[in-house]
Amino acid sequence: DQQVKQNSPSLSVQEGRISILNCDYTNSMFDYFLWYKKYPAEGPTFLISISSIKDKNEDGRFTVFLNKSAKHLSLHIVPSQPGDSAVYFCAASARARTASKLTFGTGTRLQVTL
Amino acid sequence: DSGVTQTPKHLITATGQRVTLRCSPRSGDLSVYWYQQSLDQGLQFLIQYYNGEERAKGNILERFSAQQFPDLHSELNLSSLELGDSALYFCASSANPTGSEQYFGPGTRLTVT
Repeated sequence: DQQVKQNSPSLSVQEGRISILNCDYTNSMFDYFLWYKKYPAEGPTFLISISSIKDKNEDGRFTVFLNKSAKHLSLHIVPSQPGDSAVYFCAASARARTASKLTFGTGTRLQVTL
Repeated sequence: DSGVTQTPKHLITATGQRVTLRCSPRSGDLSVYWYQQSLDQGLQFLIQYYNGEERAKGNILERFSAQQFPDLHSELNLSSLELGDSALYFCASSANPTGSEQYFGPGTRLTVT
């Protein structure tokens, strides 16, 4: 049962344009959401997160939007740069007081072209 | 560089064997997590330790076990290896047990032949 879904395995965007990566979840207990970026032969790198009490969080070129009623979140990258080419994973957590685990989507490969 | 180190980087072994993967968390982080990434799959949570104690368990097989030592490094032991255990194994760390912002190591690529 895939609780976090990234339905687009790949996305190609021109440099300077906006990249929009989407993620859907099914577990209503998730209260914290994150995006990670992964280059080949490296571990995932934390990008940006959002708590379920917010609907938007912005950090430089990266903005995450959360729509709780639709159980959907998206990552916007603007402007897109060639160095953004990587696999992006959406992750979700149902935080307990004493433990935490991340449930990941299967990833979206973003290619930013010149 | 996340500050999380994992050894070895690559491991090739035969079916039925046992291996140990090692992880050192970021300085100051007390919580360690293990994840498995199989081909074309997302990362699957295996287990979490906080300051030496097991805190959460995911889809970890009975053939797999882990521990966190007093110096906070962690080891993941995989035994009776099968071809399907071939995967990337990532370790992550965070400062506290509810730290959802986890910092990942570079991973260990395990190939079972």
